[in-house]
Amino acid sequence: GAGVSQSPSNKVTEKGKDVELRCDPISGHTALYWYRQSLGQGLEFLIYFQGNSAPDKSGLPSDRFSAERTGGSVSTLTIQRTQQEDSAVYLCASSLQGGRAEAFFGQGTRLTVV
Amino acid sequence: GEDVEQSLFLSVREGDSSVINCTYTDSSSTYLYWYKQEPGAGLQLLTYIFSNMDMKQDQRLTVLLNKKDKHLSLRIADTQTGDSAIYFCAESMNTDKLIFGTGTRLQVFP
Repeated sequence: GAGVSQSPSNKVTEKGKDVELRCDPISGHTALYWYRQSLGQGLEFLIYFQGNSAPDKSGLPSDRFSAERTGGSVSTLTIQRTQQEDSAVYLCASSLQGGRAEAFFGQGTRLTVV
Repeated sequence: GEDVEQSLFLSVREGDSSVINCTYTDSSSTYLYWYKQEPGAGLQLLTYIFSNMDMKQDQRLTVLLNKKDKHLSLRIADTQTGDSAIYFCAESMNTDKLIFGTGTRLQVFP
């Protein structure tokens, strides 16, 4: 596609429910990142994919968070048993060569846990 | 550890220069970036500098890198109201992971 696409753009969920956030990277980009931006905060690194594998998932806050990437393309970030502190904008980015190339960001998914 | 720090706010008058500062901790960083986030929008790359450079200029933007002090700055000349946004510096690690700073909110007033 023309850019990084994320869906849904907004998600309101009840505490305790599971949610899935989707990221469609730019075609051909091997690197894919997930970040979280809480209100008034910077970007918190969550996980980094190179192809389908995740060399670094050190930023996942707890075992309620998981992510996968299939076919070297689409990635899904899953949050189980959501808590109010999970409310944030979840940003996905992709790049051609990991950190040595420009990362293109999607518009993000705004998650609100009520 | 991995830590990129920035001051939170900067307020400048239209037409003046803005200087946004950033400090990073990983001396093995290969690239350092400046991204801009406008309200309600995603992040866009403004400019980047390779770690073996001291300075890079791109129109109104000047990036200065002091590797010894692990200090990066972004100077915006003739700042305009359209420059109002949040500016993030980022470093790329040897593992290709991008680590972002906390962001500096630039406010430009007439």
